Amino acid sequence: GENVEQHPSTLSVQEGDSAVIKCTYSDSASNYFPWYKQELGKGPQLIIDIRSNVGEKKDQRIAVTLNKTAKHFSLHITETQPEDSAVYFCAASKGRFGAGTRLTVKP
Amino acid sequence: NAGVTQTPKFQVLKTGQSMTLQCAQDMNHEYMSWYRQDPGMGLRLIHYSVGAGITDQGEVPNGYNVSRSTTEDFPLRLLSAAPSQTSVYFCASSYQDTYGYTFGSGTRLTVV
Repeated sequence: GENVEQHPSTLSVQEGDSAVIKCTYSDSASNYFPWYKQELGKGPQLIIDIRSNVGEKKDQRIAVTLNKTAKHFSLHITETQPEDSAVYFCAASKGRFGAGTRLTVKP
Repeated sequence: NAGVTQTPKFQVLKTGQSMTLQCAQDMNHEYMSWYRQDPGMGLRLIHYSVGAGITDQGEVPNGYNVSRSTTEDFPLRLLSAAPSQTSVYFCASSYQDTYGYTFGSGTRLTVV
């Protein structure tokens, strides 16, 4: 079955810096790659997604890139703010999630 | 629009007891799923359903049962609770598997 690996497990950045989280997947048939943000005590919330026919997608300060050949995709957050502090999960098709990245943005 | 509603929010069970975690969505989503979340292990898929009357196993199905008699409801049953089932459980729904999920707020289960 699908295996999704996510790195790093923790990431600490200064406010205003950029943050990058990377994921790899194993099933070449996967064609949908969402990213979720989970705040303390809440369920994960979809923040951005990308499909296999697109290489990059942006939404304000958030962007996702996909390299199907290498089977990896990344989340990029620019101009980070303290409210970006949360746990971020990547996922691939068939409901498989990465282990999560705890992002801390220091004021 | 309530989205995905999970009940209860907290539950303590004794080893061997059974219980049902409830999940309901009001978005007319066909796809529903159950996850457990443990520290350092992300979200692991327990069971999922692509529509009423259809269910299938995920990564960690042992010890859990599901049914899907209506589009709206997808309950998760623990048959005989074990301490290893101590976790936070999330229900999610979506138009299809390859669309973003809407998650409930979770059920924190402790088995003693």
